[in-house]
Amino acid sequence: GQQLNQSPQSMFIQEGEDVSMNCTSSSIFNTWLWYKQDPGEGPVLLIALYKAGELTSNGRLTAQFGITRKDSFLNISASIPSDVGIYFCAGPGEGAQKLVFGQGTRLTINP
Amino acid sequence: DTGVSQDPRHKITKRGQNVTFRCDPISEHNRLYWYRQTLGQGPEFLTYFQNEAQLEKSRLLSDRFSAERPKGSFSTLEIQRTEQGDSAMYLCASSLVGRRRGYTFGSGTRLTVV
Repeated sequence: GQQLNQSPQSMFIQEGEDVSMNCTSSSIFNTWLWYKQDPGEGPVLLIALYKAGELTSNGRLTAQFGITRKDSFLNISASIPSDVGIYFCAGPGEGAQKLVFGQGTRLTINP
Repeated sequence: DTGVSQDPRHKITKRGQNVTFRCDPISEHNRLYWYRQTLGQGPEFLTYFQNEAQLEKSRLLSDRFSAERPKGSFSTLEIQRTEQGDSAMYLCASSLVGRRRGYTFGSGTRLTVV
């Protein structure tokens, strides 16, 4: 089945640092989604990507759809305490109606 | 837009008991999804409905699990004869057919089987 692998699994950074994380797939995706999940809450959509090579920003967040269509990247600039959480990449599963999620990247920020 | 609402937020039950969770999607959304998330993992698809029709079920959805969406609005997920391995966060999400921007998740129901 389709699998998404996220790297790194966890990050410990200082406030103000930039963050980079990535997601790779065992198969080609035609959509990439990045979600953030706070403790005890459901995932919230941050950025959606629909085209290979696409670069999309949402405030301090920037995500790119890899040209091979098997990877995607998320960058956060000038991190702040509210960026703490778990970041998930996701893409359409078989049949396209469901999403397949990576295992997440846990971001911890030291003030 | 009041978001996706799930009830209860937390449920502790004894092994062998039955539990039922409710999800109220965003009112104009015609698709509704159930996912399960265990600690340290991403959400895993369980099943989805388009209006009142259940169109797909994952192999994760054993015969102890049943989901309904009787009038195409709210949905229920029932787990019979709960096992400790059922302990997880159960997430509901909804979307509108034709919209590409992923879907909206609720806050989830955290189930603990003791």
